[in-house]
Amino acid sequence: SQQGEEDPQALSIQEGENATMNCSYKTSINNLQWYRQNSGRGLVHLILIRSNEREKHSGRLRVTLDTSKKSSSLLITASRAADTASYFCATGGNAGNMLTFGGGTRLMVKP
Amino acid sequence: DTAVSQTPKYLVTQMGNDKSIKCEQNLGHDTMYWYKQDSKKFLKIMFSYNNKELIINETVPNRFSPKSPDKAHLNLHINSLELGDSAVYFCASSQSPTSGQETQYFGPGTRLLVL
Repeated sequence: SQQGEEDPQALSIQEGENATMNCSYKTSINNLQWYRQNSGRGLVHLILIRSNEREKHSGRLRVTLDTSKKSSSLLITASRAADTASYFCATGGNAGNMLTFGGGTRLMVKP
Repeated sequence: DTAVSQTPKYLVTQMGNDKSIKCEQNLGHDTMYWYKQDSKKFLKIMFSYNNKELIINETVPNRFSPKSPDKAHLNLHINSLELGDSAVYFCASSQSPTSGQETQYFGPGTRLLVL
């Protein structure tokens, strides 16, 4: 089974709105990462948050991590049509830097 | 310049055939990975190599054999292809696991269809 479970599986919003995606995981982690995948493309790293951090920002992205609840959220503010993609959380820290991915959230931003 | 490249991009083949997918990275990374993404978009690690040595081998049929001729290349050979092998295979690379730089850089994927 997947380490990470993402919620919602699909999200449709209007341009300019904020998009929030959640990720839950099961075991202890060293870090949690978010990746974006455009249709038919490879994954692109967005942001990494370590287990001793609670919040991190990068441009319009804000990631939170609650290790007590084993959950993370990714907030994209002021969304744009170009943000349309699938977003995956991945937990890391096991031997060999193995990443365990969630099932992804498919985000559609309508212009 | 492409950081992580894979060939071929598309691969359509008959059941029972043997095929290889190649991956190269020019980032100077020590660690490379193979992932499989199924039709439901679930992404699962298959193998990880650090400096040409296997460090992760998840539960993958032994029909799949990775080969790393040098740390910039990690190829995936698949014997006796089955219908269930149809998926998108992604190569990725990163700094070594002990470097503290855990970000992985992904290739564009190889779409394998077994008929």
